[in-house]
Amino acid sequence: DQQVKQNSPSLSVQEGRISILNCDYTNSMFDYFLWYKKYPAEGPTFLISISSIKDKNEDGRFTVFLNKSAKHLSLHIVPSQPGDSAVYFCAASVAGNTPLVFGKGTRLSVIA
Amino acid sequence: SAVISQKPSRDICQRGTSLTIQCQVDSQVTMMFWYRQQPGQSLTLIATANQGSEATYESGFVIDKFPISRPNLTFSTLTVSNMSPEDSSIYLCSVEARERYGYTFGSGTRLTVV
Repeated sequence: DQQVKQNSPSLSVQEGRISILNCDYTNSMFDYFLWYKKYPAEGPTFLISISSIKDKNEDGRFTVFLNKSAKHLSLHIVPSQPGDSAVYFCAASVAGNTPLVFGKGTRLSVIA
Repeated sequence: SAVISQKPSRDICQRGTSLTIQCQVDSQVTMMFWYRQQPGQSLTLIATANQGSEATYESGFVIDKFPISRPNLTFSTLTVSNMSPEDSSIYLCSVEARERYGYTFGSGTRLTVV
């Protein structure tokens, strides 16, 4: 049973436009959510996080939105740049030093 | 945030042999996590390694196959034992990065079993 789902395996966006990556979860105990970016042959890099007490968190071009009632979060990248092309993982955890549960990832391609 | 040195970065191993992966953290951390990413799949947690106690394994992973050591608060090893081609994956270690409430990952070990 997959607790964190990223239903779009891939996404193509033109440079300068908005990229929207979606993530759904089933475990209502999750209260902390993270997005990671991963380039080939490298470990995942932390991008942005949000706790369940918020519904939005911004960091530069990256914004994460959380809809707790729908158990849905999304990552918005605007404007998208070719360097953003990577696999993006959504992850979730229960509070504290607990391991993350990852989605399968969405491969974003930003076309110049 | 914590910096993790993971090695080897990649290896090609013969079926039936074992490989030990090392992770060194530049600060003391309570818990270290070991993940596996099989081709085209998500990151899957193998086990949580606490210093001074046995690692806690997730369903589908056993100590005989993936023995873990955690001799101190900055170091851990994961061994992939009696390897088969199905063990070909990227293996990553991770620690919590308290400063940004995220988790830091090692650069990964790309293992190919032939």
